[in-house]
Amino acid sequence: AQSVTQLDSHVSVSEGTPVLLRCNYSSSYSPSLFWYVQHPNKGLQLLLKYTSAATLVKGINGFEAEFKKSETSFHLTKPSAHMSDAAEYFCVVSDQLTGGGNKLTFGTGTQLKVEL
Amino acid sequence: DAGVTQSPTHLIKTRGQHVTLRCSPISGHKSVSWYQQVLGQGPQFIFQYYEKEERGRGNFPDRFSARQFPNYSSELNVNALLLGDSALYLCASSSWDRGQETQYFGPGTRLLVL
Repeated sequence: AQSVTQLDSHVSVSEGTPVLLRCNYSSSYSPSLFWYVQHPNKGLQLLLKYTSAATLVKGINGFEAEFKKSETSFHLTKPSAHMSDAAEYFCVVSDQLTGGGNKLTFGTGTQLKVEL
Repeated sequence: DAGVTQSPTHLIKTRGQHVTLRCSPISGHKSVSWYQQVLGQGPQFIFQYYEKEERGRGNFPDRFSARQFPNYSSELNVNALLLGDSALYLCASSSWDRGQETQYFGPGTRLLVL
């Protein structure tokens, strides 16, 4: 089974400074990777997805992630944090089901705090 | 376009009771997945349905069951509720693009078991 490891449970940045949320994956073949964001008491919103078409993936709200096979990493970055970015971020890998389709396996999450 | 919708938004039950949660997928999506998110953890996969057939099941007891209807909406049923079933239950519907599936989530149903 494939898995992801989020290296930081909490990250704190100042508004206007860069954001780096780290994720490593474990997969025996080219994985399908995603980043989702969850604001307090809300559902999950898709930020971006790796499709193997390009190693640098751009998502919504200025976020991007780079797939590095040599490092088995898929870190999420943003050049300048905004207060509204404060939320929980999940790195996710997709695993094939025997009946077709896929299930998502989530990392443990990184809580991003943005301070003035 | 409407996203994934779930009902109810909140629910309080007591131990031993039964609960039914409902989900309507994004229009045109034929696959629905269910996840359980316990407080402080990432979501865990429960089921996926496609065209009314179960495609996969996560590591959950038989107390958990689901079904999908001809209009692609879905129900998640949990019998004999335990305190540990208290969680946010998330439904997702799927789209496919060039062989890759992407799941879009609803707002969830928050279940509290007392």
